[in-house]
Amino acid sequence: TQLLEQSPQFLSIQEGENLTVYCNSSSVFSSLQWYRQEPGEGPVLLVTVVTGGEVKKLKRLTFQFGDARKDSSLHITAAQPGDTGLYLCAGQGGSQGNLIFGKGTKLSVKP
Amino acid sequence: DTAVSQTPKYLVTQMGNDKSIKCEQNLGHDTMYWYKQDSKKFLKIMFSYNNKELIINETVPNRFSPKSPDKAHLNLHINSLELGDSAVYFCASTYSGANVLTFGAGSRLTVL
Repeated sequence: TQLLEQSPQFLSIQEGENLTVYCNSSSVFSSLQWYRQEPGEGPVLLVTVVTGGEVKKLKRLTFQFGDARKDSSLHITAAQPGDTGLYLCAGQGGSQGNLIFGKGTKLSVKP
Repeated sequence: DTAVSQTPKYLVTQMGNDKSIKCEQNLGHDTMYWYKQDSKKFLKIMFSYNNKELIINETVPNRFSPKSPDKAHLNLHINSLELGDSAVYFCASTYSGANVLTFGAGSRLTVL
């Protein structure tokens, strides 16, 4: 089974700051997904990256898929309290091709 | 309209009891999952059903028995609950081959 390592595990910043979180693996993934989970809710899909080197933007969020398709990053510009949550990366790599998740980065943005 | 709904949202029970969690999706998906999220927020797959047929069982104790009466429903029954079963259980669904999941809001199980 492939593994996804996320860093940092925790991140606490002030409103307006920029940040980057990472998702790394020693294995190649056909695609990677990013989800955000808010307290008391289930994860919600933000984006899927498919092509090596791909960059996708979702308002203040920029997602990049590594050229070798083994890693991905999420950059948030001018973070807001509403960005607070658990950010999970996921890729197809379970024993039966199911989606596996990293352990997440817990982001807290203080006003 | 809630896409994936789970009941109950909270469940507090004693060790040794039997409990069930229900899940329903109205998205027309044909594949449903149960995931367990532990206290460290790690999401781990437990079961997957496609059109009522079990396709993934990830070495979960046989005290856990999923049941899918139709492709819109996937329930989870747990026998002889143990302290280590305390977690948040998430139901999710998708179209087979799509691998983009829609999650329910979770059911927090606390075993005392």
